[in-house]
Amino acid sequence: DTGVSQDPRHKITKRGQNVTFRCDPISEHNRLYWYRQTLGQGPEFLTYFQNEAQLEKSRLLSDRFSAERPKGSFSTLEIQRTEQGDSAMYLCASNRGRVHVLTFGAGSRLTVL
Amino acid sequence: TQLLEQSPQFLSIQEGENLTVYCNSSSVFSSLQWYRQEPGEGPVLLVTVVTGGEVKKLKRLTFQFGDARKDSSLHITAAQPGDTGLYLCAGAENNDMRFGAGTRLTVKP
Repeated sequence: DTGVSQDPRHKITKRGQNVTFRCDPISEHNRLYWYRQTLGQGPEFLTYFQNEAQLEKSRLLSDRFSAERPKGSFSTLEIQRTEQGDSAMYLCASNRGRVHVLTFGAGSRLTVL
Repeated sequence: TQLLEQSPQFLSIQEGENLTVYCNSSSVFSSLQWYRQEPGEGPVLLVTVVTGGEVKKLKRLTFQFGDARKDSSLHITAAQPGDTGLYLCAGAENNDMRFGAGTRLTVKP
């Protein structure tokens, strides 16, 4: 197992464009989380999935953001009509069952020009 | 507003010094984790504390969970440049994890 993989690692886009990030969790982990982290801050919770079900969404997740985990394996996070304020590191993490320990990917850094 | 307050926000010390960083909350957590994050990477778990009053040691790092399970501390003895990084605490709230803003530690050789 290679851990949690995120792609792309870096994305530079122009304001107004759509971007999509992918996360491949550890295979036996049924829970998958998305966080956003800006400079000087800790990770901020966005949403999480248990298998394919999206169980919670933060108020930070505006209607321009959508996340899916269609088969309960990999997940995608799409941001539509990007704004400069969306520039951040987007972190994916996974865990198994009720174990409150997260394994993080290396993150996808988004820069919106 | 962060659910977990970490202090200090920044800490710069010389190699060999000792330090303590803190994580405080008004909420009770079933467990609390400490992570370390290096630039351009995701956080990596250091330890989980579960029982109030629990003390765990990881080489030169000592973690303590408060008796009321609302706060925690991380003490590093004889800090080394390799300890440089962002130290994050995280608490389990319902089914998701909430993080503090972190303490950014720099250890100068």
